[in-house]
Amino acid sequence: DAGVTQSPTHLIKTRGQHVTLRCSPISGHKSVSWYQQVLGQGPQFIFQYYEKEERGRGNFPDRFSARQFPNYSSELNVNALLLGDSALYLCASSLEGLARYEQYFGPGTRLTVT
Amino acid sequence: AQSVTQPDIHITVSEGASLELRCNYSYGATPYLFWYVQSPGQGLQLLLKYFSGDTLVQGIKGFEAEFKRSQSSFNLRKPSVHWSDAAEYFCAVLFSGGYNKLIFGAGTRLAVHP
Repeated sequence: DAGVTQSPTHLIKTRGQHVTLRCSPISGHKSVSWYQQVLGQGPQFIFQYYEKEERGRGNFPDRFSARQFPNYSSELNVNALLLGDSALYLCASSLEGLARYEQYFGPGTRLTVT
Repeated sequence: AQSVTQPDIHITVSEGASLELRCNYSYGATPYLFWYVQSPGQGLQLLLKYFSGDTLVQGIKGFEAEFKRSQSSFNLRKPSVHWSDAAEYFCAVLFSGGYNKLIFGAGTRLAVHP
């Protein structure tokens, strides 16, 4: 079975621009979470979506938004990019029930803001 | 507030030597604990998890971890390290209150000498 997939792999943007990152969860997983990993740090939680509804949000500004589609894939959008948004963006998916506590991560999208 | 501390930023061991990576957590309720591994430029792979029951848990790649409630610790161990174990290791605790988010430590980078 395919794991969590993310696109694009890398991208370079300029300050002030907008970016959209995409994630496809493992087949059968209905929950998707997004994390930001700045170089040299552990990942930081941004959002969790379940059944197309936002379930939780981390301490990130309103420039960050996300949505989940009927096929459970998800997009993360970041507006008005800042240099500090440069990071590896990780998507994770999970099942329901007790297994919802296990999150499976994709390879990430490396975003560089210049 | 919930937090995870990994006291060792870098650890170097010789191939074949034993390994212990330290993790301390702060969490008010019974914690759900995880260890993930990240190879350079890659996403996170789940090594093992602790939810309840036996405090010594076995994971993939020959890793194990021991939950010690009295010490608020969840240290990762391997009896004999292989060169392919060189990577960054993250300990995480799950916050679950209406939504699920992983709170990660800053990571420990493991180097393996031949």
